[in-house]
Amino acid sequence: SAVISQKPSRDICQRGTSLTIQCQVDSQVTMMFWYRQQPGQSLTLIATANQGSEATYESGFVIDKFPISRPNLTFSTLTVSNMSPEDSSIYLCSVRGRDRGNTEAFFGQGTRLTVV
Amino acid sequence: DAKTTQPPSMDCAEGRAANLPCNHSTISGNEYVYWYRQIHSQGPQYIIHGLKNNETNEMASLIITEDRKSSTLILPHATLRDTAVYYCIVRVAGRGGGADGLTFGKGTHLIIQP
Repeated sequence: SAVISQKPSRDICQRGTSLTIQCQVDSQVTMMFWYRQQPGQSLTLIATANQGSEATYESGFVIDKFPISRPNLTFSTLTVSNMSPEDSSIYLCSVRGRDRGNTEAFFGQGTRLTVV
Repeated sequence: DAKTTQPPSMDCAEGRAANLPCNHSTISGNEYVYWYRQIHSQGPQYIIHGLKNNETNEMASLIITEDRKSSTLILPHATLRDTAVYYCIVRVAGRGGGADGLTFGKGTHLIIQP
């Protein structure tokens, strides 16, 4: 299994500002994933973060808006830039299991962001 | 990943078995059926997965039809803490299959009634 810690757990931010969310994993993992969950909705994949290379973004998400860092195998950050109220969501970090043949995903508790 | 269809909500009495259906009629031969759940204000939690045989673990049982076009997640003795949104996801698994993120549908909101 993997234990994932996200910081902050929640924040209220002014529009036009940026927030950086941290994700720390208790073991080394190749890939880390960032998701967004808008109010009352399901999870949507934002991007995949590989250590040592640029993140891969899903359709509808761009690096300028959601820059990602992946400095090592246990840590990643997601920045929500130039925020607007539409960015109010829960942002979740996820990794895949490393057991042989086991590809279950583990999730952090999420960061609840409110933009005012 | 193949598309899945789940009922938006279900009720179940506490102590009874909760049976959550999922249709995945376009599933490919190398795709597994995964189930996750998300309890309110928490991140999703893995429950179980299977390819074609029925599977059981400490949390639940997974029944996959012979044609693999549908499956049922069974929580044998539901408790109030099982109230959550349950997601059925179909995807390739196994070694090397962890390269992609998950595609979540809308899931089933299971409400356990006291």
